[in-house]
Amino acid sequence: GAGVSQSPRYKVAKRGQDVALRCDPISGHVSLFWYQQALGQGPEFLTYFQNEAQLDKSGLPSDRFFAERPEGSVSTLKIQRTQQEDSAVYLCASSVAGPSYEQYFGPGTRLTVT
Amino acid sequence: GESVGLHLPTLSVQEGDNSIINCAYSNSASDYFIWYKQESGKGPQFIIDIRSNMDKRQGQRVTVLLNKTVKHLSLQIAATQPGDSAVYFCAENFGNEKLTFGTGTRLTIIP
Repeated sequence: GAGVSQSPRYKVAKRGQDVALRCDPISGHVSLFWYQQALGQGPEFLTYFQNEAQLDKSGLPSDRFFAERPEGSVSTLKIQRTQQEDSAVYLCASSVAGPSYEQYFGPGTRLTVT
Repeated sequence: GESVGLHLPTLSVQEGDNSIINCAYSNSASDYFIWYKQESGKGPQFIIDIRSNMDKRQGQRVTVLLNKTVKHLSLQIAATQPGDSAVYFCAENFGNEKLTFGTGTRLTIIP
């Protein structure tokens, strides 16, 4: 079946530009997660949704980062006024329900800020 | 080209041999541990998990061992194959929604 998909796969932005990254979770998955993965590092938690409710956004590095999931399915991670330190791979994951269920990851969006 | 993992711990294993990848965790309250495999350009892929009330769990060609006394987790891969070459991450869950990942180990299989 279809897995988690993310678009675009690659994004180059000039410093100061706004970007929007999209995640399509597996159909029926209640929970959706965003992670940031810097080069050579493990993924780091950004935020978590259960259906349309954003239950935890403690990992968002600044108020330039904003995530939404208005209908409880597709999610968008928006970064305003991008900075060079935002360059990373942004991973989306979904799971059936709850934190201890297996999280299925998408391929990620590689963001490069120049 | 992509230069991922320049500072990752590395492990090189002869094809057909067994691999052991180790991970130390810090939070004694963690109740769920997962091993992920990540190939270049792809997202992490679930391998196997273990709950804190267990010491060992086996899957197909993989075994995870959990030592809560010294907060240590290991992944054993039997009879490694070229397709096992990847970066392996351990992750822990404290019973909430977050996964906290370790830094990863790059496994290279020598033909």
